[in-house]
Amino acid sequence: SEVLTQPPSVSVAPGKTASIDCGGDNIGGQSVHWYHQKPGQAPVLVIHSDRDRPSGIPERFSASKSGNTATLTISRVEAGDEADYYCQVWDSSRDHYVFGSGTQVTVL
Amino acid sequence: HVHLVESGGGVAQPGGSLTLSCSTSGFSFSYFGMHWVRQAPGKGLEWVALIRSDGSLKYYAESVKGRFTISRDNSKYTLSLQMNSLRGEDTAFYYCVKESPTGAFDSWGRGTLVTVSS
Repeated sequence: SEVLTQPPSVSVAPGKTASIDCGGDNIGGQSVHWYHQKPGQAPVLVIHSDRDRPSGIPERFSASKSGNTATLTISRVEAGDEADYYCQVWDSSRDHYVFGSGTQVTVL
Repeated sequence: HVHLVESGGGVAQPGGSLTLSCSTSGFSFSYFGMHWVRQAPGKGLEWVALIRSDGSLKYYAESVKGRFTISRDNSKYTLSLQMNSLRGEDTAFYYCVKESPTGAFDSWGRGTLVTVSS
């Protein structure tokens, strides 16, 4: 079964770039989606289908995938980007959706 | 504008039952797959169940299979989750979620809290 591994936390200074990796054995063959969740709020989709931004998501959010690792990149980080970030895939071998363990992004 | 509103959360005893509902508006409900996702307090997201647009296919997380039942009424634009044999580890916020054509979860409700405790 698919397990998605993320770093528990990432710290970044305002204006700098934050990168969050999501590793999984079968990521290469699946579409990866990314969400952020601010305290007390529901998650929000920020990237779908490996690298596409939904309307309303700033261009500062981008993503890529190489081998079995997907990466979310936040450029020119702002204080408002502080949130938990989750990756997600559809595990076709089990007909299950899987979320990563989540990464807390702290803006210094 | 897509609007998803969960209801039915509350306190249940271990072994008890609860039924969650999700009222939807702002989109063609019968065209989209729908999900329940939960989040225990202070923990990460856990996918719970999926029902396809016409209700023909349903999938469940192993942790709830055989205890929870997802259903939908396309004539009333509502999604439901029948939860039986509740356990302490089912305590969580439960989110109603709309699936996009790409498989991503593009709209979320605000969630309803289920607490399983004696």
